Amino acid sequence: KAGVTQTPRYLIKTRGQQVTLSCSPISGHRSVSWYQQTPGQGLQFLFEYFSETQRNKGNFPGRFSGRQFSNSRSEMNVSTLELGDSALYLCASRGTGWRGEQYFGPGTRLTVT
Amino acid sequence: TQLLEQSPQFLSIQEGENLTVYCNSSSVFSSLQWYRQEPGEGPVLLVTVVTGGEVKKLKRLTFQFGDARKDSSLHITAAQPGDTGLYLCAGESGANNLFFGTGTRLTVIP
Repeated sequence: KAGVTQTPRYLIKTRGQQVTLSCSPISGHRSVSWYQQTPGQGLQFLFEYFSETQRNKGNFPGRFSGRQFSNSRSEMNVSTLELGDSALYLCASRGTGWRGEQYFGPGTRLTVT
Repeated sequence: TQLLEQSPQFLSIQEGENLTVYCNSSSVFSSLQWYRQEPGEGPVLLVTVVTGGEVKKLKRLTFQFGDARKDSSLHITAAQPGDTGLYLCAGESGANNLFFGTGTRLTVIP
């Protein structure tokens, strides 16, 4: 079974621009979560989508948004990029019978200049 | 905020040594996971512990969940360079929430 895939793997953007990241979960997984990872703040939860609905949301500004499609693929959008948005963005999926076990993709490394 | 503190934050040891990483919280979790992350990759699940006092072994790695389900430890015996990475604990609470620890960066020197 294929793992979680994320595209693109690397991205360089300029302050003020917007960016869209994509995540394809493991086949059959309906939950997709997004995380931001930085050296200073560690791994922080952005939001979770389940069956096209946002189920949980972390403490991030409204510039960060997401959506999930009927095939469970998910996108995350960041508008009006700031230098502090430079980070590794990780997507994770999980199936039914959840015990907190998530399967992560390789991440998208976003650099804002 | 359900904070998971890991200690130590950084650990550098020689190959063959033993080590223990701790994950502590003031909150009770229904389950706790340990992940390992290598540079440029996403975290990979190592184990899930559910019952207070539970001990699980994965080759040279031993995981323990505290009796009160507020803390956990990871013990590595005879560390190898392949164990190098960022170790993360994550606690599950209600409402499908998962909280990640601050991380322990382990370097095993050949």
